[in-house]
Amino acid sequence: KNEVEQSPQNLTAQEGEFITINCSYSVGISALHWLQQHPGGGIVSLFMLSSGKKKHGRLIATINIQEKHSSLHITASHPRDSAVYICAALPDSNYQLIWGAGTKLIIKP
Amino acid sequence: GAGVSQSPRYKVAKRGQDVALRCDPISGHVSLFWYQQALGQGPEFLTYFQNEAQLDKSGLPSDRFFAERPEGSVSTLKIQRTQQEDSAVYLCASNQQGWNQPQHFGDGTRLSIL
Repeated sequence: KNEVEQSPQNLTAQEGEFITINCSYSVGISALHWLQQHPGGGIVSLFMLSSGKKKHGRLIATINIQEKHSSLHITASHPRDSAVYICAALPDSNYQLIWGAGTKLIIKP
Repeated sequence: GAGVSQSPRYKVAKRGQDVALRCDPISGHVSLFWYQQALGQGPEFLTYFQNEAQLDKSGLPSDRFFAERPEGSVSTLKIQRTQQEDSAVYLCASNQQGWNQPQHFGDGTRLSIL
């Protein structure tokens, strides 16, 4: 079992739909990253959070430390949101991120 | 610059050649990380610098891989006698003081070994 698991692995939705991507982890962490990667592109850090909820534009990230679970939500999804979304856990006292396998999101117009 | 800059963006080399990949972190960022991302896989940690000191190189896959950051800013990842399994995207990230800060990633260098 991987220490960081994401679901779903693939997600296809229509423009405008509300999107949820889930991330569960089994290790103690100091923070959790959500990142976005476009095909052939680099990685963009969306959020780093250690508690509660963060919002940036149409993106919302939440984390429940007790349940070791985080979600990334996209409201009013748009085709330009199509990308791979990755969660990565920053373990306690360690700088080596533990990466999830990524969720490939496709938003159809 | 405004973000982490990596060059070249694409590199094609013949098996056995040496390659050098460059990373320009965000100005003032103390920590610098190198990752290797194989096709369809998540990034794998290679090495970590704090200023000019290479504090961890445990992820470097072999002694053909070498990284340096001599003045605590620009870093170079060198791969000697390249092999086909070295083909991957090499990502660089930096952050401010302390490793437990958000990492800012570059666009990566896509290395193809023929």
